[in-house]
Amino acid sequence: DVKVTQSSRYLVKRTGEKVFLECVQDMDHENMFWYRQDPGLGLRLIYFSYDVKMKEKGDIPEGYSVSREKKERFSLILESASTNQTSMYLCASSLQGVYEQYFGPGTRLTVT
Amino acid sequence: KNEVEQSPQNLTAQEGEFITINCSYSVGISALHWLQQHPGGGIVSLFMLSSGKKKHGRLIATINIQEKHSSLHITASHPRDSAVYICAVGTGNQFYFGTGTSLTVIP
Repeated sequence: DVKVTQSSRYLVKRTGEKVFLECVQDMDHENMFWYRQDPGLGLRLIYFSYDVKMKEKGDIPEGYSVSREKKERFSLILESASTNQTSMYLCASSLQGVYEQYFGPGTRLTVT
Repeated sequence: KNEVEQSPQNLTAQEGEFITINCSYSVGISALHWLQQHPGGGIVSLFMLSSGKKKHGRLIATINIQEKHSSLHITASHPRDSAVYICAVGTGNQFYFGTGTSLTVIP
């Protein structure tokens, strides 16, 4: 079974802190994605990566950066957390293109 | 911009009822996906479609490429079907998501 794991299920951080969210997949997938999910807005793409060290901005990249140094690991970084970044963050991976996506369990981040 | 629209937003059904969730999209797609999200966050993929119809147990998904429309049907609904159902379309390397349909099935 494909497994996508995320480093934390729940996280509470203070405004201004640097936050790292990690995602690891074990199926040698090319593509990895970071989304945030907010009530009424659905899933919105922050960044995606289609290869090691490659990244593309999604719909809402402001305030975020990403890192993909190894194929299996995709990190989302909040350089200076703000309260409007309180959200559920979901990582996903897919083999390539728009094949089936496999999602991690999500990290509920609260910024106070 | 709403590339993907779902209806209804919320749905309450009695156990055993036949349920339909609709999805319309405005972009050219390579594939359409139906996802299920239970309370607590985990999302699982139910179907990936590029044409026609697929069936898995009590779930049926159809797509009409010409009309840019897909439906997810649940036959003989059960309380364990209570979840948010999300339509997503894939184009290029990107996915666009609907805002989801929250389904509650009452025993």
